[in-house]
Parts: sequence; C-alpha cells; structure tokens
Amino acid sequence: NAGVTQTPKFQVLKTGQSMTLQCAQDMNHNSMYWYRQDPGMGLRLIYYSASEGTTDKGEVPNGYNVSRLNKREFSLRLESAAPSQTSVYFCASNPYGGRLSNQPQHFGDGTRLSIL
Amino acid sequence: QKEVEQNSGPLSVPEGAIASLNCTYSDRGSQSFFWYRQYSGKSPELIMSIYSNGDKEDGRFTAQLNKASQYVSLLIRDSQPSDSATYLCAVNAGLTGGGNKLTFGTGTQLKVEL
Repeated sequence: NAGVTQTPKFQVLKTGQSMTLQCAQDMNHNSMYWYRQDPGMGLRLIYYSASEGTTDKGEVPNGYNVSRLNKREFSLRLESAAPSQTSVYFCASNPYGGRLSNQPQHFGDGTRLSIL
Repeated sequence: QKEVEQNSGPLSVPEGAIASLNCTYSDRGSQSFFWYRQYSGKSPELIMSIYSNGDKEDGRFTAQLNKASQYVSLLIRDSQPSDSATYLCAVNAGLTGGGNKLTFGTGTQLKVEL
C-alpha cells in the first residue's frame, strides 16, 4: 500500500543541468499536484493536473514543465536548473476532479533537490 | 490573492497541556479546511478535515471552524512530546478556487516540553 511514491529522494545538480522528478500514486486518484517547500515560504503549488490529460499552472510555474503520463504518473521537469530551484519538492494526489472536490491531498515523501 | 495566515511560532506548551493553533483565511468562498502535521524532514500528514461550522473531534484533536469570522483552529489535548512538529493549515477555495487546489499557511511550529 505505497500511496504516493516520489523518485529520487535526493539529488544534486549543477546549474544548467536538466532533470525529471517522478511521481506515481496507486490510489486511483484523479488529481495530482507538485509543490515546492522553502523555509519560511510554506508549500507553494507549481503545477497541478485535475484529471488525466489536463495540466494547469499553479502559483510558481516558471522554470518547470509537467507531464501527466497516465492516471498514475505525474512528472516534473527542470529544463535548465538554477540555484533558486533548490528546494524540497512534494507530489500530492486526491481522489476527485471537478470544481467542488472536498477531499484532502495525500503527499509523497518528497525529493530534496540541491542545485549548485 | 487568496491567503492563509498562521502564526509561525514556536508555540511552546508543557506536556499534558492543551495546545491551541490558529489559522485565518481570506477567501469567503472557502469550503474545505485541513490540518496537516509535518515533522522535520518529513512530508505533511493529514490529521484533521473540517467542512462545516462548529467543532470536530478525533481523539486528542479538535478542529474548530467559524466561517463568519474566517477562522479555523486546532486544539491538541494532553499534548505529548511526540506532538512537537509544524502544523500546516490548508484551505480549499471551492467555487472560486479553480478546482482542487489547496492554499497552505506557512505553518506553526509546536514544541511540547517535558
């Protein structure tokens, strides 16, 4: 019963390198989310996918791209990493799509990303 | 800009006392409210959901919601050292929020002292 699985757990990149963070959920949830968490800033939404086949920008999308590969998987790509993207990245999912979902989100364990 | 405000703390309480954590939100259309606990270096873990005005109790935890005042709180009774963590308030904006997005507060750090 894995829930939301993120890979890798840790990564160090050099400025300008690219990388894809992977996220998969086994709860048959429709909606998936990518957040970053920085000290004093709380959780900020980067991108989300309300349902398979759709993606939308969140609060801080610049420098990132996403792909909803299928219902289970939602990846986050950094095309040209910058030191400002050093952060902890969390993927989350919740059961329902639509405008009136009341369900909480369930989080993965996070990816700790450092960009030198 | 929809906002969720929390006092960053740290809030220090002695073991066995009641810890009271508070959260205010700006969007009157908000419909769902959640409290997450986050231990240092770990991911957020859902501990309470509340959707209607009043109190909701689950074990040592009580969530309180007052939509008129745009205020949600979390009470932790008989606080234990294991409750020491950061508590995140999250709000789903519902009709005006565009789908299932949550807005998070920056969290309140709770320290339960022996």
